[in-house]
Amino acid sequence: GQNIDQPTEMTATEGAIVQINCTYQTSGFNGLFWYQQHAGEAPTFLSYNVLDGLEEKGRFSSFLSRSKGYSYLLLKELQMKDSASYLCAVVDSNYQLIWGAGTKLIIKP
Amino acid sequence: GAVVSQHPSWVICKSGTSVKIECRSLDFQATTMFWYRQFPKQSLMLMATSNEGSKATYEQGVEKDKFLINHASLTLSTLTVTSAHPEDSSFYICSARYGPDYGYTFGSGTRLTVV
Repeated sequence: GQNIDQPTEMTATEGAIVQINCTYQTSGFNGLFWYQQHAGEAPTFLSYNVLDGLEEKGRFSSFLSRSKGYSYLLLKELQMKDSASYLCAVVDSNYQLIWGAGTKLIIKP
Repeated sequence: GAVVSQHPSWVICKSGTSVKIECRSLDFQATTMFWYRQFPKQSLMLMATSNEGSKATYEQGVEKDKFLINHASLTLSTLTVTSAHPEDSSFYICSARYGPDYGYTFGSGTRLTVV
């Protein structure tokens, strides 16, 4: 079966750095997305990785290792507004999005 | 660019009535739309995939006669929840793929409450 694993909840301090991990086992791989979702709102796009390595975009970076079936989202200089759920999603061989359950990130002052 | 407009944002309806949710791609042609539902504190669950001009493909366990999907044009897909019951209360979100790599854009979601 297809499976995406990410921690249920994480807590971090404002101004700090946090890394959210995602591991996957899917039928084929055509890329991995990270989305941010605030409560009661639709997800918003953060990043897309299809090749191994690190993609940096401002305070957010995303890393992919296809051989290990592993990705992480790195958030730097955390702000209170970063409190949200972060969803990892993999595009499988049929171009279907397979979603993780999401990681709820709590930022404390 | 790549905006999907979804409405209504929220709706309250009585048990037994039907509710229609619309998703429009504003600046691109969406040949494929995905419909999700999300219960509180849970991830997105794909309900169905709709392709313009053809029948939708429903995920296992989703009743096609209850959740009617129409994708009559390249810019509009609709989800109708028929004979709604309180257990259908959920957050419904549509999504469209707007490029081979870059991604999937989402509508703003519809909060449905059935009373």
